[in-house]
Amino acid sequence: GENVEQHPSTLSVQEGDSAVIKCTYSDSASNYFPWYKQELGKRPQLIIDIRSNVGEKKDQRIAVTLNKTAKHFSLHITETQPEDSAVYFCAAIALGWGAQKLVFGQGTRLTINP
Amino acid sequence: GAVVSQHPSWVICKSGTSVKIECRSLDFQATTMFWYRQFPKQSLMLMATSNEGSKATYEQGVEKDKFLINHASLTLSTLTVTSAHPEDSSFYICSATRGGSGDQPQHFGDGTRLSIL
Repeated sequence: GENVEQHPSTLSVQEGDSAVIKCTYSDSASNYFPWYKQELGKRPQLIIDIRSNVGEKKDQRIAVTLNKTAKHFSLHITETQPEDSAVYFCAAIALGWGAQKLVFGQGTRLTINP
Repeated sequence: GAVVSQHPSWVICKSGTSVKIECRSLDFQATTMFWYRQFPKQSLMLMATSNEGSKATYEQGVEKDKFLINHASLTLSTLTVTSAHPEDSSFYICSATRGGSGDQPQHFGDGTRLSIL
């Protein structure tokens, strides 16, 4: 089955700097890769996703890149702000199968220092 | 759109009690719902996949008789933790996907914090 590894587990950056979180996956059949932001005690919120037919996707200060050959994908947050502080989870899913399952990475606790 | 409501948000009960958690898709039909458990400072672990009108598919290591899942309609799935014990204390979160091709993101409920005394 799919295994997703996420690094780093904690990340602290100065406000205004960029943050990068990296994930690797094991199942070459996976073709959908969402990123979720979870604030303490709250639901995971989808912030951006990418499908395997695309190499990069950007939404304002957030971008995601995907390297299918190497089986890794990354989240990039530019011009970080205090409200970006949260736990971020990457995930991978194999779509189009009988039982689509999201497999999450271990999470990255991002702290933005003012 | 794509709002998922989960109730209750917080439960405290005595050991041995059964607890039911509801997950509703408010503005879309969810052919598939998922139940996750999240321990403090850990990732979300899938417990089971629930398809409307059929039996749930449980992940390895999850007790079917302990965590009863019912998905009776396209907008409602329930998780019942039977005879709960302190080790069942956790944050339980459901998610739902729209019907169709399957190429749809999962939308999460607010979660239920379960504390067993």
